[in-house]
Amino acid sequence: DGGITQSPKYLFRKEGQNVTLSCEQNLNHDAMYWYRQDPGQGLRLIYYSQIVNDFQKGDIAEGYSVSREKKESFPLTVTSAQKNPTAFYLCASSVWGETQYFGPGTRLLVL
Amino acid sequence: AQSVTQLGSHVSVSEGALVLLRCNYSSSVPPYLFWYVQYPNQGLQLLLKYTSAATLVKGINGFEAEFKKSETSFHLTKPSAHMSDAAEYFCAVSGPGGAQKLVFGQGTRLTINP
Repeated sequence: DGGITQSPKYLFRKEGQNVTLSCEQNLNHDAMYWYRQDPGQGLRLIYYSQIVNDFQKGDIAEGYSVSREKKESFPLTVTSAQKNPTAFYLCASSVWGETQYFGPGTRLLVL
Repeated sequence: AQSVTQLGSHVSVSEGALVLLRCNYSSSVPPYLFWYVQYPNQGLQLLLKYTSAATLVKGINGFEAEFKKSETSFHLTKPSAHMSDAAEYFCAVSGPGGAQKLVFGQGTRLTINP
C-alpha cells in the first residue's frame, strides 16, 4: 500500500536540543518537501528536494536542516537555533512539477 | 510572486445547505490551483486541482470548483453539506512551470450545524 509515513506522531523537545523528524515514502516520487503549519497561517515551506543528494531552502529554512541520501527518505532536523519550534510539521512528496501528496504530520512540542 | 487569499477564516453552514469557500489568487503566470482538506491532527488530502484544462473541476466527496480568470478566483462549492465535511480547507497556487512550489492560503475552518 503506497503512501507517506511520518514519525513520531508527537515529539517533545527540550531547550537546546536538536530533534529529527522522519519522513518516508514508497510512491517512487523524486521530489519531497517539508512544511510547517501554525494556527491561522496556512503552510509554509521549509525545505524541498527535487532529487537525491540535492535540496533547496524554502521560505523559512532558518533553524532547520535536512538530508536526502535516499529517494525514499527526507528527514528534517529542528536545531537549537530554531527558537519557536512548536508547530505541526508536514512532509509531502510528488513527481516533480505535479500534485503534492501529504503525510499524516508530526506535532512538535517544547518542554 | 504568487499569493492566495481565502476569504473567511471560519464558515458555518447547516447540514444540507450549500457550502461556498472563497479563494482568490495572484499569479504572474497561468496557475495551477488546488484545494486540500485537513481533518483534525491529520495531513492534507487533495480535494481537486485545476491545471489549465476544464474550468469547472470536480473533486472527491461531491466538491467542485470553478476557475474564473477574470475574477482571479477558484471558489470551492458543494451543493449539500454533510456533517463529515467539517474540517479545514486550504487553497493553494503553484509557481511557474508546475506544482513544485505551492503557496497556501491561511485556511478556512468549515463547521456544519445539525
